[in-house]
Amino acid sequence: DIQMTQSPSAMSASVGDRVTITCRASQGISNYLAWFQQKPGKVPKRLIYAASSLQSGVPSRFSGSGSGTDFTLTINSLQPEDFATYYCLQHDSYPLTFGQGTKVEIE
Amino acid sequence: EVQLVESGGGLIQPGGSLRLSCATSGFTVSSNYMSWVRQAPGKGLEWVSVIYSGSSTYYADSVKGRFTISRDNSKNTLYLQMTSVRPEDTAVYYCARGRGGSPLENWGQGTLVIVSS
Repeated sequence: DIQMTQSPSAMSASVGDRVTITCRASQGISNYLAWFQQKPGKVPKRLIYAASSLQSGVPSRFSGSGSGTDFTLTINSLQPEDFATYYCLQHDSYPLTFGQGTKVEIE
Repeated sequence: EVQLVESGGGLIQPGGSLRLSCATSGFTVSSNYMSWVRQAPGKGLEWVSVIYSGSSTYYADSVKGRFTISRDNSKNTLYLQMTSVRPEDTAVYYCARGRGGSPLENWGQGTLVIVSS
């Protein structure tokens, strides 16, 4: 199985900050990587697919990059509604595997 | 509008069986690939199973041999048959649609399964 390691597991940031979350795959997954946002008590929402493609309706301050084993989710100018937990997902091979999550909290 | 609505969750004793349903609208279940994802209380997301339009299925090791994914094309509904359930199966179970090689684009609201005696 492919292991996905996210870092950091939690972080504090302020409104307006630039936030970077990384995800590393235990083996190469090309660009078969998606990012999800989940707010407390809510359903996960896909932000990015194919490593860097922005899901329709998602603000352009979210961006993804990377290929192979190393991936990044960047949030430019963090907004109050962005405080949430973020997960990466590899879909190169089954079983699909998520990272353990990164909780972005208000500083 | 794409909609997915799960049902069937509840309290079940260890070793028991339960069938979850995911009623869909706004798309055709048989033309997409559909997954189940679960989330234990206070924990992260765990992919459970997928069924493709051609009926190929895959499972997480943790549920293989105990859970079965299926669909009823006439009802546009996805199912997850859970048997021999364990306390560690306690979670909110979400169904999700994937298409074009890109998974988990649309999600239902989830249904809670509690395995306890």
